[in-house]
Amino acid sequence: EPEVTQTPSHQVTQMGQEVILRCVPISNHLYFYWYRQILGQKVEFLVSFYNNEISEKSEIFDDQFSVERPDGSNFTLKIRSTKLEDSAMYFCASRGRTMRAEAFFGQGTRLTVV
Amino acid sequence: ILNVEQSPQSLHVQEGDSTNFTCSFPSSNFYALHWYRWETAKSPEALFVMTLNGDEKKKGRISATLNTKEGYSYLYIKGSQPEDSATYLCAFNAGGTSYGKLTFGQGTILTVHP
Repeated sequence: EPEVTQTPSHQVTQMGQEVILRCVPISNHLYFYWYRQILGQKVEFLVSFYNNEISEKSEIFDDQFSVERPDGSNFTLKIRSTKLEDSAMYFCASRGRTMRAEAFFGQGTRLTVV
Repeated sequence: ILNVEQSPQSLHVQEGDSTNFTCSFPSSNFYALHWYRWETAKSPEALFVMTLNGDEKKKGRISATLNTKEGYSYLYIKGSQPEDSATYLCAFNAGGTSYGKLTFGQGTILTVHP
């Protein structure tokens, strides 16, 4: 069964460092997302990506964040200068040809900023 | 700001008990309501995507209903088993230009005791 894969599963980084979280969505999907969950809080939307551009982003997704789909398969989230409050579980998701279809999630990357 | 609420926050039941949880969401601008099952260290797994008022969907011992006019959905588990222990998430998909963004509730943590 096709699945969304994320790497690494856990990353520890120092405050101020850049991190890149990687995702391989399901191959024929068209819509791509990043979400995160800070411990004890709700899963929250960060950004959606469609047709090779950002289609929507949340208030959290400021200039420190960027996304790319450089080669048609990988989908990356970059945080330029990490802060302590960026520590969270980051989930990638993809969806097929309709926005009503189920979204398939990866298993997440736990980012710890120290 | 969309608000999606789930209750209860956690639930402990005995094996064989039937149980249900609630998800409430905005009754305006409805597009779809998603239910996910999330076990620790795994990807959230889609259970149902519900789109029409009055929808009832079933997968094995798990079923869900939808009332879009009053903004709630129920998830039922009949004859709970220990392997049903997980966090159950609902997520609201608004219409318009949301590009399929999901707004999540805080989840219901279900523990089924043998």
